Amino acid sequence: GDSVTQMEGPVTLSEEAFLTINCTYTATGYPSLFWYVQYPGEGLQLLLKATKADDKGSNKGFEATYRKETTSFHLEKGSVQVSDSAVYFCALSGNSGGSNYKLTFGKGTLLTVNP
Amino acid sequence: ETGVTQSPTHLIKTRGQQVTLRCSSQSGHNTVSWYQQALGQGPQFIFQYYREEENGRGNFPPRFSGLQFPNYSSELNVNALELDDSALYLCASSSQGSGRTEAFFGQGTRLTVV
Repeated sequence: GDSVTQMEGPVTLSEEAFLTINCTYTATGYPSLFWYVQYPGEGLQLLLKATKADDKGSNKGFEATYRKETTSFHLEKGSVQVSDSAVYFCALSGNSGGSNYKLTFGKGTLLTVNP
Repeated sequence: ETGVTQSPTHLIKTRGQQVTLRCSSQSGHNTVSWYQQALGQGPQFIFQYYREEENGRGNFPPRFSGLQFPNYSSELNVNALELDDSALYLCASSSQGSGRTEAFFGQGTRLTVV
């Protein structure tokens, strides 16, 4: 079945540091890939997405590129801010079983950015 | 455009009781999915509803059931609550057939079973 493996946290960085959170996936066919962010006490917010190989999703300074050859979708940001502190989830949406929008999530990576 | 709303935001139930959680989908969306997020874990897919019928189910027992109404809103019902059912329950809405793949989540309902 589909699965997502993402970097274990927690990750602690200083403001303006470079961020990478690794994500790899296993899926049949050609899934869509997503990064969601969850701030304390809140639901999930879509951060960015990519729907086909070599697509780059970007939003709020975050980027991730859909790499089919390495089955990866690593999240990067060049200069993090304190306000980026949150839990980040990598997810995929496959097309198996007719449930087109079932999301399979990784376990999440807690990011803390210190001033 | 209204977002996904869930109610209630928090509730406490006793083991063995039944609970109903509610979700209003985002305007223009016809599909609702439910997820369970245990503390410190990623969300796990419970089931999805499309056109008022279940359209896919995860690895959850039959005491987890749901409904979708003609206005696309949805309910999640859990019978015979167990302590392990304590979690954040998330509703997500999306639009099948539109070509858009993303799902939008509500703020969740925090269920505590004591």
